Amino acid sequence: KAGVTQTPRYLIKTRGQQVTLSCSPISGHRSVSWYQQTPGQGLQFLFEYFSETQRNKGNFPGRFSGRQFSNSRSEMNVSTLELGDSALYLCASSVTSGGAYEQYFGPGTRLTVT
Amino acid sequence: AQSVTQLDSHVSVSEGTPVLLRCNYSSSYSPSLFWYVQHPNKGLQLLLKYTSAATLVKGINGFEAEFKKSETSFHLTKPSAHMSDAAEYFCVVILNAGNNRKLIWGLGTSLAVNP
Repeated sequence: KAGVTQTPRYLIKTRGQQVTLSCSPISGHRSVSWYQQTPGQGLQFLFEYFSETQRNKGNFPGRFSGRQFSNSRSEMNVSTLELGDSALYLCASSVTSGGAYEQYFGPGTRLTVT
Repeated sequence: AQSVTQLDSHVSVSEGTPVLLRCNYSSSYSPSLFWYVQHPNKGLQLLLKYTSAATLVKGINGFEAEFKKSETSFHLTKPSAHMSDAAEYFCVVILNAGNNRKLIWGLGTSLAVNP
C-alpha cells in the first residue's frame, strides 16, 4: 500500500497570502489529522476529519481551516498568513486496528512565510 | 489534567551503548501510549505502542518500552545504539472517550549517537 502523501513538500509564501495544503491518506483509511510542528512548540494538533466531517479540533485561530472529500483526501487552508505560521505541517491518516488506534504520517509540507 | 513529559530534551550516547529515553504521563484514564521517531526532514514513524496488553512492548529497530503504571512511565530503551538511531523521538498518550479521542504529544527528545 502506498503511504500518506502530502503536496507540495515545500512552499514559500509572503505575509497576508493564503495557502492550501493537500493530503492523501493510505487507501482505506477514513480519518485524517493535521498537525503543525515547530521547534519551540513541538507538535500541535490542528484538526481531525472522518468521513468528511470535522471530528476534533485543536486550539488554532479561524484562519486555519480544513476539509475532507468523499475519497478521504483532505486539504487544509491557512488564510492571511503570518510569520509565525512558518512550520512543518504534517498529515496523518489513522485506523483502528485490533481495538488500537494508529496514526501513519506523511513526510510533511514545509511552509515558510516571509 | 492529562500531560506527557519527556524528561530529557537531548540525549547523547556512544554507538554500541544502551539508549534510555524517558517519558512520564499523567492521566485519569487508562491510556494508550506510543513512541514515534522522526529522522531529519522525514515524517513520523511509529516505533511501538502500548494498549493495555503486555506491559513490555517490543517495537521496530530493536527498541522496546515498558509501561509502569505505578510510576506513570513509559520509557524507551535499546540495548545497543546504532548511528542510524540518531533522530527525534516523541512519546504520545492517547485518551479515548468514544470518538472524542485526544492525543497528547511530548515535546520530543533529540538523540545523538557518537561514533
